[in-house]
Amino acid sequence: AQSVAQPEDQVNVAEGNPLTVKCTYSVSGNPYLFWYVQYPNRGLQFLLKYITGDNLVKGSYGFEAEFNKSQTSFHLKKPSALVSDSALYFCAVRVFYNTDKLIFGTGTRLQVFP
Amino acid sequence: DAGVIQSPRHEVTEMGQEVTLRCKPISGHNSLFWYRQTMMRGLELLIYFNNNVPIDDSGMPEDRFSAKMPNASFSTLKIQPSEPRDSAVYFCASSSAGGTEAFFGQGTRLTVV
Repeated sequence: AQSVAQPEDQVNVAEGNPLTVKCTYSVSGNPYLFWYVQYPNRGLQFLLKYITGDNLVKGSYGFEAEFNKSQTSFHLKKPSALVSDSALYFCAVRVFYNTDKLIFGTGTRLQVFP
Repeated sequence: DAGVIQSPRHEVTEMGQEVTLRCKPISGHNSLFWYRQTMMRGLELLIYFNNNVPIDDSGMPEDRFSAKMPNASFSTLKIQPSEPRDSAVYFCASSSAGGTEAFFGQGTRLTVV
């Protein structure tokens, strides 16, 4: 079955420190991978995507993500966290094998402390 | 472009009533998704349209739920009759052809009392 896993419900990090939010996936075929962020009472905002090419992709607000095919992972990273990065982060995979679905993980709440 | 537009933003209704949620996708996008978000189940894909045709409705929870897309610029999600367990935030998202990212609306917060 196609799925996305975010193993951490919450990640806490001090402002200025690097952050990592983990994501692994299980799909048939080559996946299209995405990260979204959700602020309170708002819709999901697109951060970045991996389709093909360089395994390290850069996105909005200084975020980047590394695609690792052997580990089926797509972890979100930022070298220096800001308090304003505190939000809910979703990993997603678009699956085309016999269907076309955009499947989301359960979300990880990032809390950046001053 | 104003982005994906959903209406209403908030809806409070009594159990048993019909509820209709509306979505206007981004102009030129040919894929439209309806999602439901709850604390317990996270983001659930309800139904997916491509070129106004429902492709996959396996996520629709019950026959009380129905969705239509009469043209490329409008979609509805209807719940009839509504129940308290339908209370959630419902999101609409659209994307262009070729597997690019989806863009989300602000959501409709539905409360069924």
